[in-house]
Amino acid sequence: DVKVTQSSRYLVKRTGEKVFLECVQDMDHENMFWYRQDPGLGLRLIYFSYDVKMKEKGDIPEGYSVSREKKERFSLILESASTNQTSMYLCASTMRQANYGYTFGSGTRLTVV
Amino acid sequence: KQEVTQIPAALSVPEGENLVLNCSFTDSAIYNLQWFRQDPGKGLTSLLLIQSSQREQTSGRLNASLDKSSGRSTLYIAASQPGDSATYLCAVTGGFKTIFGAGTRLFVKA
Repeated sequence: DVKVTQSSRYLVKRTGEKVFLECVQDMDHENMFWYRQDPGLGLRLIYFSYDVKMKEKGDIPEGYSVSREKKERFSLILESASTNQTSMYLCASTMRQANYGYTFGSGTRLTVV
Repeated sequence: KQEVTQIPAALSVPEGENLVLNCSFTDSAIYNLQWFRQDPGKGLTSLLLIQSSQREQTSGRLNASLDKSSGRSTLYIAASQPGDSATYLCAVTGGFKTIFGAGTRLFVKA
């Protein structure tokens, strides 16, 4: 069964910490995405990547960065975590043409205290 | 700019009822439309994917239809069960963007 795996289901971090959220897919997908999901705001795109070492800003990139050193791995980095980054973070991947739809990971619930 | 709307925001039905969830979009130039299910605190699970050239897709008790000309998709759930309780989201992909609806929260009462 194809999978997108997010390394942590729940994380609690302190304000100002550097936080790494990891995502790995085993489907050889070219495209990978990071979304955050908040009540009343739906899914919002943070960053995406079309290929190794390539990244594009989404709708809300401020306070975040990403890394894609290998095709299967896409990392989201919170350089200095803040309480307004408390959220559900969802990683997803698609084939290059996106015609086969998205596959999502199980999500990481991040709480910044 | 594509906008995706799901109405109603929440729905409660008795077990065994057939139901329809709606997804509307404003720009008919789409590649595909995908329906997802999300359980509380979990990720999105893909249910059905309809390509722009297709009119419907079926999987078990689920049937999704697509009418690009009217900007509508419906997800039909037959003989609903308590285990169907979840939030259902649609996602419309066109150009280089995917827009997600806010979802319909479904509760099936036993």
